[in-house]
Amino acid sequence: LAKTTQPISMDSYEGQEVNITCSHNNIATNDYITWYQQFPSQGPRFIIQGYKTKVTNEVASLFIPADRKSSTLSLPRVSLSDTAVYYCLVGHYSSASKIIFGSGTRLSIRP
Amino acid sequence: GAVVSQHPSWVICKSGTSVKIECRSLDFQATTMFWYRQFPKQSLMLMATSNEGSKATYEQGVEKDKFLINHASLTLSTLTVTSAHPEDSSFYICSATRQGDPLSYNEQFFGPGTRLTVL
Repeated sequence: LAKTTQPISMDSYEGQEVNITCSHNNIATNDYITWYQQFPSQGPRFIIQGYKTKVTNEVASLFIPADRKSSTLSLPRVSLSDTAVYYCLVGHYSSASKIIFGSGTRLSIRP
Repeated sequence: GAVVSQHPSWVICKSGTSVKIECRSLDFQATTMFWYRQFPKQSLMLMATSNEGSKATYEQGVEKDKFLINHASLTLSTLTVTSAHPEDSSFYICSATRQGDPLSYNEQFFGPGTRLTVL
């Protein structure tokens, strides 16, 4: 499983766009990039997954450059409720494939 | 859909006792279930992978005789912490993958977690 590197923490304010970048230099050809969100004392929640270019859903956007060695999770107009830990995961996931969580990015949103 | 529940949500027990935590997939059949442990301010640490009807696969450093995992059906896996001690106090989280999901899209559905406190 490709190792990922992301900032330990980030701060922002309500209404701002937040971009969290994850480095994965050793990503393999058949690896996907997945982001999870975790609130305190809760299980992680799937946010978005992508392979290349850009993916957008109702919660976030995921930007992946052509070399796929990094990815950026973009949260538009954050609110206080977006305060959480965000995990970037890379791997070729099959139905039996385990996930190894990195350290994650602790995002704090201020009023 | 794809809801995973855990029971209990929290438990306090005395040192030396055993505690069982249940993980259920409520509206889907789970191909595989995973058990994680998370200490305060730390990331999730995978403990074991559990497949229905077969023995669990434990990660390095996780004692299989200490953390007993039973996966009796496609919707239920249990984790039993045997002879619990204060250092076993942690947040235990299970997850499940849905049977039939495409191989290229493996979303794990996580339970809400169980807070274990051993006195």
